[in-house]
Amino acid sequence: SAVISQKPSRDICQRGTSLTIQCQVDSQVTMMFWYRQQPGQSLTLIATANQGSEATYESGFVIDKFPISRPNLTFSTLTVSNMSPEDSSIYLCSVEDRARGSYEQYFGPGTRLTVT
Amino acid sequence: AQSVTQLGSHVSVSEGALVLLRCNYSSSVPPYLFWYVQYPNQGLQLLLKYTSAATLVKGINGFEAEFKKSETSFHLTKPSAHMSDAAEYFCAVSGNAGNMLTFGGGTRLMVKP
Repeated sequence: SAVISQKPSRDICQRGTSLTIQCQVDSQVTMMFWYRQQPGQSLTLIATANQGSEATYESGFVIDKFPISRPNLTFSTLTVSNMSPEDSSIYLCSVEDRARGSYEQYFGPGTRLTVT
Repeated sequence: AQSVTQLGSHVSVSEGALVLLRCNYSSSVPPYLFWYVQYPNQGLQLLLKYTSAATLVKGINGFEAEFKKSETSFHLTKPSAHMSDAAEYFCAVSGNAGNMLTFGGGTRLMVKP
């Protein structure tokens, strides 16, 4: 399975600031996804990030608030911009391991964000 | 469009008892179905998956799930609960390879000694 790391693992930020979360994979993958898990809730997809193209955002998420970069096949970043306390969540990246011919998604350990 | 419903946000069982976590899905295409487990302060770990092969799927840690198309269900079971099984469990559906996962609301499993 793909091994995924995220930085930072957690952060406490002030409202109005921005935080960039990094996601690194140990192998080349086509599809990368960013999810949000609000406190006590399930996961919601923010966007799909393919290398060489613009990220595709789900309903309720916009590029100005959550800009995403995907410079190569092993790395992506998600920025949470102009943060408010409502952005306090766990942010997770995931990848689909197509190289093995499977349809499994593997998740990073998550970034726990608290906005004060 | 696809959706997932997990019946019971909290399930409590005694150690050694049967674990049954319910998942029903809707999908406009043949689904791929997954169960993930999330331990406190950790990311998600894949337990098992259904991708149109055998309807009874065995996963890690003694868990298994059965795909029932007629009932649009993919319930997760384990014959005998261990204390270490206490965690949050998520059922998810994907309509096609490369599509995003749609998650259910999650079920918190508590195991009593």
